[in-house]
Amino acid sequence: NAGVTQTPKFRILKIGQSMTLQCTQDMNHNYMYWYRQDPGMGLKLIYYSVGAGITDKGEVPNGYNVSRSTTEDFPLRLELAAPSQTSVYFCASSAGVTGFSPLHFGNGTRLTVT
Amino acid sequence: EDKVVQSPLSLVVHEGDTVTLNCSYEVTNFRSLLWYKQEKKAPTFLFMLTSSGIEKKSGRLSSILDKKELFSILNITATQTGDSAIYLCAGLGGGADGLTFGKGTHLIIQP
Repeated sequence: NAGVTQTPKFRILKIGQSMTLQCTQDMNHNYMYWYRQDPGMGLKLIYYSVGAGITDKGEVPNGYNVSRSTTEDFPLRLELAAPSQTSVYFCASSAGVTGFSPLHFGNGTRLTVT
Repeated sequence: EDKVVQSPLSLVVHEGDTVTLNCSYEVTNFRSLLWYKQEKKAPTFLFMLTSSGIEKKSGRLSSILDKKELFSILNITATQTGDSAIYLCAGLGGGADGLTFGKGTHLIIQP
């Protein structure tokens, strides 16, 4: 049972480089989310999607972009990476509105920007 | 702006002790409160609470919600070293934009 799969697990970027964090889920969930987690700061929502073709900004969207062309995939794009984007990134999905259907998390991508 | 505050932020106890983790929330159009356990990787779901005063229990863990006072507690009895983790509390409001998470309580159980 794959659940939510994120790749890569680790990545080091130089300032100004770009990359895409991949996220795919095999549970046919409509709702998908990207969070970042900084030490001692909890999880902050970057972007979310309520279905294919629909995305919206979360609390901390600046410097990121997303797309949702299929139900399964929800990639997160970093353009012009900055040291402030050093963080652990979690993708999550849920079957319905979040509170009534718990989030299923991927194992995270640890990104360092130097 | 929605806010979830957890306390304490860190806690060190000995194996066998009972611990209580606190979570207070201010969430617009509140619908539910969730607890997650995070060890080395992804948070894993523990409880979802939507009704006040009804205790949810799973083994040595239990949780209850007080919607009048806007808080929840997570109790762990007879703690074991495997309970060492970050415990995250999150509240869901009226939008589809996911959960508002607290900063977490870092619990360390010493043998």
